[in-house]
Amino acid sequence: NAGVTQTPKFRILKIGQSMTLQCTQDMNHNYMYWYRQDPGMGLKLIYYSVGAGITDKGEVPNGYNVSRSTTEDFPLRLELAAPSQTSVYFCASSYSLTTSTNEKLFFGSGTQLSVL
Amino acid sequence: GESVGLHLPTLSVQEGDNSIINCAYSNSASDYFIWYKQESGKGPQFIIDIRSNMDKRQGQRVTVLLNKTVKHLSLQIAATQPGDSAVYFCAENPRDAGNMLTFGGGTRLMVKP
Repeated sequence: NAGVTQTPKFRILKIGQSMTLQCTQDMNHNYMYWYRQDPGMGLKLIYYSVGAGITDKGEVPNGYNVSRSTTEDFPLRLELAAPSQTSVYFCASSYSLTTSTNEKLFFGSGTQLSVL
Repeated sequence: GESVGLHLPTLSVQEGDNSIINCAYSNSASDYFIWYKQESGKGPQFIIDIRSNMDKRQGQRVTVLLNKTVKHLSLQIAATQPGDSAVYFCAENPRDAGNMLTFGGGTRLMVKP
């Protein structure tokens, strides 16, 4: 099983450039998430989606946009890259939003982004 | 504010010894806790979880202990192996927050052969 697939794995951007981080999952999960991980820090939630056509802001949404046109795909868009967006980005998915059934987050392998 | 944190950023143990990784949390509304393992270049992987109505939960070579009185969570790894070398994160899930997890900063476990 492929699980959660992220592309690209690495990217260097210049300040002001834009790019889209791709994320796709083949587990038919309803819920998808984007996190960023700064060195020595825990993961911070950027945006999440509870299903196709629905997205919500997480803890650190500024500077990012998302869309969810299909169940499988949840791309993250950076419109005007800034050095503060240098980080490792993780996409994740889960079947449900609640933890009542111990639903677990499944993570992709990450995208390392540097903005110079 | 509410936060999840770790006592030790780096832990170095001898192969075969037991490892204990600690985590403090401050959100008294959290009722679900998870430990994740993150190997270099990979995304976090679920290890074990525990609900607040339990004090202890065991898996294969891993045990999670929860002390609600002092808001402390620990992960014990028995007979640590080189493959256990990774960064370990604790995460908490406040009640009724869905799958919105708050992650700690991580502890790096280094296993010496």
